[in-house]
Amino acid sequence: EVQLVESGGGLVKPGGSLRLSCAASGFTFSNTWMNWVRQAPGTGLEWVGRIKSKTDGETTDYAAPVKGRFTISRDDSKNTLYLQMNSLKNEDTAVYYCTTSPRIWGQGTLVTVSS
Amino acid sequence: EIVLTQSPGTLSLSPGERGTLSCRASQSVSSSYLAWYQQKPGQAPRLLIYGASSRATGIPDRFSGSGSGTDFTLTISRLEPEDFAVYYCQQYGTSPPVTFGQGTRLEIK
Repeated sequence: EVQLVESGGGLVKPGGSLRLSCAASGFTFSNTWMNWVRQAPGTGLEWVGRIKSKTDGETTDYAAPVKGRFTISRDDSKNTLYLQMNSLKNEDTAVYYCTTSPRIWGQGTLVTVSS
Repeated sequence: EIVLTQSPGTLSLSPGERGTLSCRASQSVSSSYLAWYQQKPGQAPRLLIYGASSRATGIPDRFSGSGSGTDFTLTISRLEPEDFAVYYCQQYGTSPPVTFGQGTRLEIK
């Protein structure tokens, strides 16, 4: 079964850090460009960033609001995608989805940044 | 950055009616990289259409996508009760950033 399962969400104070994971199965993860997308409560979808496959250089791109604070990485041996989030702000509160964009989406994990 | 503008913001229709949702881009989008999603409360987005007009696996044929350049349309030929949701368009070309429209809420009249 093709599947993406996120984990690692939770409550964190402003200025804190959190690392999200996304476990992939049912497709060739190592060949796939992967994305993180977030959705703040009651709002629309916002792209966070992506990482290319190793064969395409494993380069990363980020949305302006998170550049310099968030880092996307991957471990193809574990079929797992990561999102390291540092210097978190209240406005980073959202459900975070990993996705192959467009086809496969995880169920999301909630990150709440609050004092 | 390509800005996607969806219209209308809210569409009120009755089951059995035809729904037409619009997505306009601030600059030309390759049709290969235009997608439509459906999202219901508490759920992840569900891919309906990719490549502007190709239905995703398991999507009923009442959903169709069309358009090119800067104007794209999602049409639902005969609305079923389960179709009332929020719909997003997305452009996912190789050049970042990926962008989404702000969404169209399809509600029961």
